[in-house]
Amino acid sequence: DIQMTQSPSSLSASVGDRVTITCRASQSINTYLNWYQQKPGKAPRLLIYAASSLRSGVPSRFSGSGSGPDFTLTISSLQPDDFATYYCQQSYNYPLTFGGGTKVEIK
Amino acid sequence: EVQLLESGGGLVQPGGSLRLSCAASGFTFSTSAMSWVRQAPGKGLEWVAAIGATGGTTYSADSVKGRFTISRDNSKSILYLQMNSLRAEDTAVYYCAKDFWSGYYGTHWGQGTLVTVSS
Repeated sequence: DIQMTQSPSSLSASVGDRVTITCRASQSINTYLNWYQQKPGKAPRLLIYAASSLRSGVPSRFSGSGSGPDFTLTISSLQPDDFATYYCQQSYNYPLTFGGGTKVEIK
Repeated sequence: EVQLLESGGGLVQPGGSLRLSCAASGFTFSTSAMSWVRQAPGKGLEWVAAIGATGGTTYSADSVKGRFTISRDNSKSILYLQMNSLRAEDTAVYYCAKDFWSGYYGTHWGQGTLVTVSS
């Protein structure tokens, strides 16, 4: 199974900050990497697919990069609506696996 | 508008069974792969099972293999998860997700249904 390791597990940031979340796969997954945002009591929401493609309707302050085992989700200027938990997920092969999540909290 | 509506969750005793349903609308269900993803209270996301568009191909996590069965009725646009031999560790919110498949990504998710396994 491919293990997905996210860091940090949580962070505190202020509105306007640049935030970077990293995700490492236990083996190369090409660019089969997706990012989701989840707010308490809500379903996950797709933000980025195929490592760097922004889903339609997602604000451009979100961006993704990377390939192989190492990936990054960046929020260029944190907004109040962005406080949530973020998950990476590999779709390279089964079992499909998620990272442990990164909780972004208000400083 | 794509809509996914899960139902069938509830309280069940260890060893019991439950069948979840996910009613789909707003898209051509018969051409979309689907998955079930769960989230234990206060924990992260865990993929449970996936099924191809025609229903001919399925995959499941080792943690549920032999106990859970994913299926679909394309004539009714409904996705199912039959859960048998339930354990306390199966307690979670269960989400259905459209297009959540190898090589793709979960474009749309239902609101989830809570399954609680407890005596």
